[in-house]
Amino acid sequence: EADIYQTPRYLVIGTGKKITLECSQTMGHDKMYWYQQDPGMELHLIHYSYGVNSTEKGDLSSESTVSRIRTEHFPLTLESARPSHTSQYLCASSNWGETQYFGPGTRLLVL
Amino acid sequence: GENVEQHPSTLSVQEGDSAVIKCTYSDSASNYFPWYKQELGKRPQLIIDIRSNVGEKKDQRIAVTLNKTAKHFSLHITETQPEDSAVYFCAASKNSGAGSYQLTFGKGTKLSVIP
Repeated sequence: EADIYQTPRYLVIGTGKKITLECSQTMGHDKMYWYQQDPGMELHLIHYSYGVNSTEKGDLSSESTVSRIRTEHFPLTLESARPSHTSQYLCASSNWGETQYFGPGTRLLVL
Repeated sequence: GENVEQHPSTLSVQEGDSAVIKCTYSDSASNYFPWYKQELGKRPQLIIDIRSNVGEKKDQRIAVTLNKTAKHFSLHITETQPEDSAVYFCAASKNSGAGSYQLTFGKGTKLSVIP
């Protein structure tokens, strides 16, 4: 079944650790996005990609980085996690001019 | 950039009543307006969307209206049911090139349907 997958779903980690949040999609979409969302609050775009080797920063400044080496894969990396990074991270994808579909999210807690 | 205001932030209705959520946007070039429903602990899911060449769109108990002149759009849910309880987000965007829509979201409305 076509879907968007995110791993891990939950992550508790200590300050200063490097983490990578995985996102993959079998939707056949070209465009992928990362949003940051505190529970029940608005979504903020932090990164997006129009295709392989294309990445852009979103409206919300973020210390994270992304890469897009394969169409279906869009990982997000934090080199040194801090408590201020505690949040939910949602991956989404879309095709040309179409709706964005969201993955289940990764809830990150940095101690 | 685009700014989307959403009201109310919380809304409680009796089961069977109607619910209306309103959003305004600032960028007159915005031309795509989706609505997402997010249940507790779940991912946002698209429930309806409208493009700027249409004034109203309906899907069973859900409808969206768009007033381009006033730059506002609204979500209408009729005959509400307890399973409609969730946080609803409006969003606005324009084609940002390469056929992609960058969405700007409202802050969300927590809808509670009381049985």
